[in-house]
Amino acid sequence: DAKTTQPTSMDCAEGRAANLPCNHSTISGNEYVYWYRQIHSQGPQYIIHGLKNNETNEMASLIITEDRKSSTLILPHATLRDTAVYYCIVRVDYGGATNKLIFGTGTLLAVQP
Amino acid sequence: GAGVSQSPRYKVAKRGQDVALRCDPISGHVSLFWYQQALGQGPEFLTYFQNEAQLDKSGLPSDRFFAERPEGSVSTLKIQRTQQEDSAVYLCASSPQTSRFYEQFFGPGTRLTVL
Repeated sequence: DAKTTQPTSMDCAEGRAANLPCNHSTISGNEYVYWYRQIHSQGPQYIIHGLKNNETNEMASLIITEDRKSSTLILPHATLRDTAVYYCIVRVDYGGATNKLIFGTGTLLAVQP
Repeated sequence: GAGVSQSPRYKVAKRGQDVALRCDPISGHVSLFWYQQALGQGPEFLTYFQNEAQLDKSGLPSDRFFAERPEGSVSTLKIQRTQQEDSAVYLCASSPQTSRFYEQFFGPGTRLTVL
């Protein structure tokens, strides 16, 4: 699976959009981009995933560049409860044992009041 | 509905003791994963079960680590002769299908401290 690069930490004001970048310059054509987050003392939580088109759900939007070498997770109106470590993961979707997730160190997003 | 539960939430062991960590996945979930998370790091894969079959144990760090899921539901991760480097949070995750992607649902983890 391709490696990802994320900033170690970011700040965001409450109510503003949080834009979390991820570089995955070695991503292959069949690898998806996934985002999970981990709130303090909890297990990781799935947020969103995509292949090449932009995706949106009730939690966030995922913007993938045309060359797929980078992506941005957008939380449109950050709240204090969004303070967490956000992990960007790229992997193929073959199912079964290959569904294991390979986490990096992620980005600590601190939402400020 | 009930999520993934793990017990105990906290465990303190003296070096050399054996420990057993339990995971109750979401009912009906076929896939079950164990991860280890050291302080300040992301989770690292340990092992994977599809029902009762352990299909991937490539992440287990040594033969002191053993996992089982005998009836395809509850799973236990056992660590024998614990060492200080085993101190970490152990996370369990379950997923409803094996084909294609389904999100993994994580439990809160068990924090193991080895003195």
